[in-house]
Amino acid sequence: AAGVIQSPRHLIKEKRETATLKCYPIPRHDTVYWYQQGPGQDPQFLISFYEKMQSDKGSIPDRFSAQQFSDYHSELNMSSLELGDSALYFCASSLRQGAGNTIYFGEGSWLTVV
Amino acid sequence: GQQVMQIPQYQHVQEGEDFTTYCNSSTTLSNIQWYKQRPGGHPVFLIQLVKSGEVKKQKRLTFQFGEAKKNSSLHITATQTTDVGTYFCAAYNNAGNMLTFGGGTRLMVKP
Repeated sequence: AAGVIQSPRHLIKEKRETATLKCYPIPRHDTVYWYQQGPGQDPQFLISFYEKMQSDKGSIPDRFSAQQFSDYHSELNMSSLELGDSALYFCASSLRQGAGNTIYFGEGSWLTVV
Repeated sequence: GQQVMQIPQYQHVQEGEDFTTYCNSSTTLSNIQWYKQRPGGHPVFLIQLVKSGEVKKQKRLTFQFGEAKKNSSLHITATQTTDVGTYFCAAYNNAGNMLTFGGGTRLMVKP
């Protein structure tokens, strides 16, 4: 079965550079979530989209922005990168939002800022 | 957002021993989900509990939801090395658009 696809899988950037992560949800899933997971930490919710509209916002820095496109894929744009942005970024998707829905995670994008 | 606390943070067990992780919330939860993340992997959905006092089993894994729907537990009987990983509980906020994870319990199994 198709899963959540994230690209790139690994990314190395220098401080103050910009990075873009892409996420392709499971077909027919209309809700996308972005999480950031630092080493040894639990996934921290960044932002979610439902039907191409921002649904909720968590601990996402102002330097980051995201959107969901008409084909339901999503992109997370990160600017003025800092060393502390180094983390594993997960995208997840679900069919409809709402408590009780199972969300499926992609394999993550490793961002290293040097 | 919804906050869930999870203990213990780490657990080392000998293969064959049992393991339990606990999840607690200060507020009543509509439901709770459990995920497993292998080292270097991504969170994988295990189960969802919805009803007060619900108990569900998956082979050696037993999941419980408290009567007040404020706590939950995951118990693994006779651990195996394949059980190694971090187990997270997670709960949705009231709007149902944000899933918040507990801090996770990292399980290490010595063969």
